[in-house]
Amino acid sequence: GQSLEQPSEVTAVEGAIVQINCTYQTSGFYGLSWYQQHDGGAPTFLSYNALDGLEETGRFSSFLSRSDSYGYLLLQELQMKDSASYFCAVRDSGYALNFGKGTSLLVTP
Amino acid sequence: GAGVSQSPSNKVTEKGKDVELRCDPISGHTALYWYRQSLGQGLEFLIYFQGNSAPDKSGLPSDRFSAERTGGSVSTLTIQRTQQEDSAVYLCASSLGVLASDTQYFGPGTRLTVL
Repeated sequence: GQSLEQPSEVTAVEGAIVQINCTYQTSGFYGLSWYQQHDGGAPTFLSYNALDGLEETGRFSSFLSRSDSYGYLLLQELQMKDSASYFCAVRDSGYALNFGKGTSLLVTP
Repeated sequence: GAGVSQSPSNKVTEKGKDVELRCDPISGHTALYWYRQSLGQGLEFLIYFQGNSAPDKSGLPSDRFSAERTGGSVSTLTIQRTQQEDSAVYLCASSLGVLASDTQYFGPGTRLTVL
């Protein structure tokens, strides 16, 4: 079956760096995406990795290792507004995204 | 419009009633997706449209759920004879195409509460 595992909660201090891990087991793999969702808001696209390695977009970076079925989202210079839920999602052999259950990130002063 | 819009934003209904949820995708996006998000959970895929046809309906939980898309644009998700377990946020997303690299852009969702 399909499964994506990520930590349920992470807490970090403003200005720090935090890493959110995601391991997946899916039938077929065509890329790993990350979405951010604030309470009551729409999921917002952050990054997409199809090939192994690190992708950097501003304060956010995303990493993928297909051989390990593993990826992570790295958030640097944390700000209070980064408090949100973060979801990893895999595009498998279908057209939809398979989402993890999300990681709730709390940034404290 | 600038993004995906959904209506209504909130819907409260009584068990057994039918509800219709609407999605307006980003103009020009050929692919449209419906997902469901229960409290504290990830997003659960329901159905996918390419143009007006639905090649993948595998996520629809029962035959009480149906969806259509007209004119390659607006989509309506209909839930008949609603049950309390249908309570969730229903999210719509659209993408330019169906490549894995085509970003899915989400609307704000419709929060459905079945009493």
